[in-house]
Amino acid sequence: DTGVSQDPRHKITKRGQNVTFRCDPISEHNRLYWYRQTLGQGPEFLTYFQNEAQLEKSRLLSDRFSAERPKGSFSTLEIQRTEQGDSAMYLCASSLYGAQDQYFGPGTRLLVL
Amino acid sequence: GQQVMQIPQYQHVQEGEDFTTYCNSSTTLSNIQWYKQRPGGHPVFLIQLVKSGEVKKQKRLTFQFGEAKKNSSLHITATQTTDVGTYFCAGGGYGGSQGNLIFGKGTKLSVKP
Repeated sequence: DTGVSQDPRHKITKRGQNVTFRCDPISEHNRLYWYRQTLGQGPEFLTYFQNEAQLEKSRLLSDRFSAERPKGSFSTLEIQRTEQGDSAMYLCASSLYGAQDQYFGPGTRLLVL
Repeated sequence: GQQVMQIPQYQHVQEGEDFTTYCNSSTTLSNIQWYKQRPGGHPVFLIQLVKSGEVKKQKRLTFQFGEAKKNSSLHITATQTTDVGTYFCAGGGYGGSQGNLIFGKGTKLSVKP
């Protein structure tokens, strides 16, 4: 399977714990995006990278959230001191530079108790 | 802030009937994209529209981009049970952004056989 992969697929954690998610984009894609999706809503943009550079972050993104893409390949999204409101599906997508269409991974579903 | 409104929120049709979903942006877009998300799945790219007044067809699906590049529609002719899912429009190019897609809340389509 050469699509976008995400790990883990599901995560249950207690409030106050830190969690980290991983995304592996399509190999030749140099752009990588993180979104959050809650029930009944469309994906909400969080941040995106071009190669290893983080080019844009949503103003809605709390400072508890941090994302990295150290070698321009896989990316990690960390949430510190999780809150119940962080419960959502976290989607990763990738695309080629200059192409607007994004290819989404299966997502990581986070539940904060 | 930038918003993308999508109507209707839900649509129930009998198999064979047509279906249309409408998308409106609060600001002019550089492009609009359409995605389909099956129940339990992730968004899958359908198409991108870039030019004012552009119309594109994919088999039974017809996509339109308004002359002012602020609205768009997706029309499905003779729906089938395989069309079930949520259809999202996503506006691109806000404020010169190269990565920030603003998604609508989606239209959830159910098809009764």
